[in-house]
Amino acid sequence: EDQVTQSPEALRLQEGESSSLNCSYTVSGLRGLFWYRQDPGKGPEFLFTLYSAGEEKEKERLKATLTKKESFLHITAPKPEDSATYLCAVLMGGGGNKLTFGTGTQLKVEL
Amino acid sequence: DGGITQSPKYLFRKEGQNVTLSCEQNLNHDAMYWYRQDPGQGLRLIYYSQIVNDFQKGDIAEGYSVSREKKESFPLTVTSAQKNPTAFYLCASILSTGANTEAFFGQGTRLTVV
Repeated sequence: EDQVTQSPEALRLQEGESSSLNCSYTVSGLRGLFWYRQDPGKGPEFLFTLYSAGEEKEKERLKATLTKKESFLHITAPKPEDSATYLCAVLMGGGGNKLTFGTGTQLKVEL
Repeated sequence: DGGITQSPKYLFRKEGQNVTLSCEQNLNHDAMYWYRQDPGQGLRLIYYSQIVNDFQKGDIAEGYSVSREKKESFPLTVTSAQKNPTAFYLCASILSTGANTEAFFGQGTRLTVV
């Protein structure tokens, strides 16, 4: 069965304390892995798409990497405004276009 | 201004009533999706559609129905058969062009059963 698992469920950091969020997946025919940021009561905001093992993408303090089994979202020197829930999703191939999400990591960055 | 529009933002339903949530996109995307989000459970897939007049059940389709008569529109009906409909509903669409794939979301509809 195709699965997407995110860890940790919640993470509390001090401002400037770098860390990583994990997204592991067991799907066949991965077409893409997505990272989103979601603020309370809002729709998810697109961050990155990764397509193949070894790929990396960066945006401000965020860097996403991909291996054959997992993806990491590295947060460098976070600020309180980075506090949000970060969601990972995988798009499966085989013509199905099914987009499956993990349960998310709730990040809180404190001063 | 391009994007995905969900309406209404808040919706209240009496028990036993059907309600329809609207999702419209002007991005010319082929694939559209409906998700349900409950606290602590992430996003669960209800239905998705790759082309007009075709759609597939997701992981929690029972008690829901959809239609895809136009490329721009993918409405979701929450029927009286859905036992626990109170949730945050999100619509998404995908653009996939060669080496670039992006999936965008609307701002959601919060449905409450009263």
